[in-house]
Amino acid sequence: GVTQSPTHLIKTRGQQVTLRCSSQSGHNTVSWYQQALGQGPQFIFQYYREEENGRGNFPPRFSGLQFPNDSSELNVNALELDDSALYLCASSLKLAGGRGDTQYFGPGTRLTVL
Amino acid sequence: AQSVTQLGSHVSVSEGALVLLRCNYSSSVPPYLFWYVQYPNQGLQLLLKYTTGATLVKGINGFEAEFKKSETSFHLTKPSAHMSDAAEYFCAVRNTGGGNKLTFGTGTQLKVEL
Repeated sequence: GVTQSPTHLIKTRGQQVTLRCSSQSGHNTVSWYQQALGQGPQFIFQYYREEENGRGNFPPRFSGLQFPNDSSELNVNALELDDSALYLCASSLKLAGGRGDTQYFGPGTRLTVL
Repeated sequence: AQSVTQLGSHVSVSEGALVLLRCNYSSSVPPYLFWYVQYPNQGLQLLLKYTTGATLVKGINGFEAEFKKSETSFHLTKPSAHMSDAAEYFCAVRNTGGGNKLTFGTGTQLKVEL
């Protein structure tokens, strides 16, 4: 399955944070979502074969990396109070023509910014 | 642009009663539709999905949903609620025309009472 680390994290405003995700074996696509309290997940961006492949309405201080070994990172610079949320990664297998790729989610990382 | 609307942020049913969670979508192209469930302090688990073909989709834990193009709906049902069904449920849409971004609704919290 999809795993994420750490489970919980507390940072202060202005700091930087790196969240990690391990995709399901064989999946070539990872997506990151931000879920604020009481809201549905919001798409941050997606990586396909180590290249960014779509981005939601998030500023450039949100960045990511995807590695060949099924792992990926979400980096957030200059943390703001509103960045406090559950961050979810989802892995999928993108098929030819973009069909059929159901996203499977990890348990999330709860980030609190003080 | 695609979107989903979940009617009713909170739904309460008695154990053994019918569960009906409503989802309406908006999409300019044929959509892929999903229902995910989220238990407290956990990530999202896929319940079921509609891509093409049969409009009545069966998922895990006895849930099913019917894609109705004329009504732009994808409501989730279960004939008999169980206490373990208490969770938050999210409807999501993905554009079939390429790109793999999931757009989620705001969620419906299901409460099951004795």
